[in-house]
Amino acid sequence: GAGVSQSPSNKVTEKGKDVELRCDPISGHTALYWYRQRLGQGLEFLIYFQGNSAPDKSGLPSDRFSAERTGESVSTLTIQRTQQEDSAVYLCASSLGTGGGEPEAFFGQGTRLTVV
Amino acid sequence: AQTVTQSQPEMSVQEAETVTLSCTYDTSESNYYLFWYKQPPSRQMILVIRQEAYKQQNATENRFSVNFQKAAKSFSLKISDSQLGDTAMYFCAFNFGNEKLTFGTGTRLTIIP
Repeated sequence: GAGVSQSPSNKVTEKGKDVELRCDPISGHTALYWYRQRLGQGLEFLIYFQGNSAPDKSGLPSDRFSAERTGESVSTLTIQRTQQEDSAVYLCASSLGTGGGEPEAFFGQGTRLTVV
Repeated sequence: AQTVTQSQPEMSVQEAETVTLSCTYDTSESNYYLFWYKQPPSRQMILVIRQEAYKQQNATENRFSVNFQKAAKSFSLKISDSQLGDTAMYFCAFNFGNEKLTFGTGTRLTIIP
């Protein structure tokens, strides 16, 4: 597809279960971001991948959160032992990076996670 | 580290009026990019406008324009002839090199019919 694709769109899980969220970036985009957005709030940075560099994990809120990216393709965000406070929309974005002359990030529709 | 500040958590304006959203940032870099993103209730983040710091001319996109004051590190968004569809959260963002995008906390704009 032409845009950033995230799956699933919605996920309801029981407290204590693990969840995996997927992001397919735009082809050729070297940069990929994950953000968390609680209801009515701003964007909370989680993690940033840029090419083959070590990811910037400074935004991950706890060791229950992890993310991987294979090359410049798909990324997965994993939340282990989910808590109710993890309920939020998780947004993924990708960009060419400033070296590509088009630094703007393009966002997916997000995954709404509800922990019950 | 770069920081982005949006000091107006909420704003409202009558339809067809003009509204200006404020954004300030802090950086020691000289060449960078600034963006305004819109997030309507559908939650899809949409790029509204971007500005390259090395360009003195203010960017415009139809009814949307910016007032970029590099020395003051200010990057405000002006929406002219506001429409009901402009109701959304607006986020200012900064990007330099291969550093990650940095977002402000957002301004919730409501257009009143």
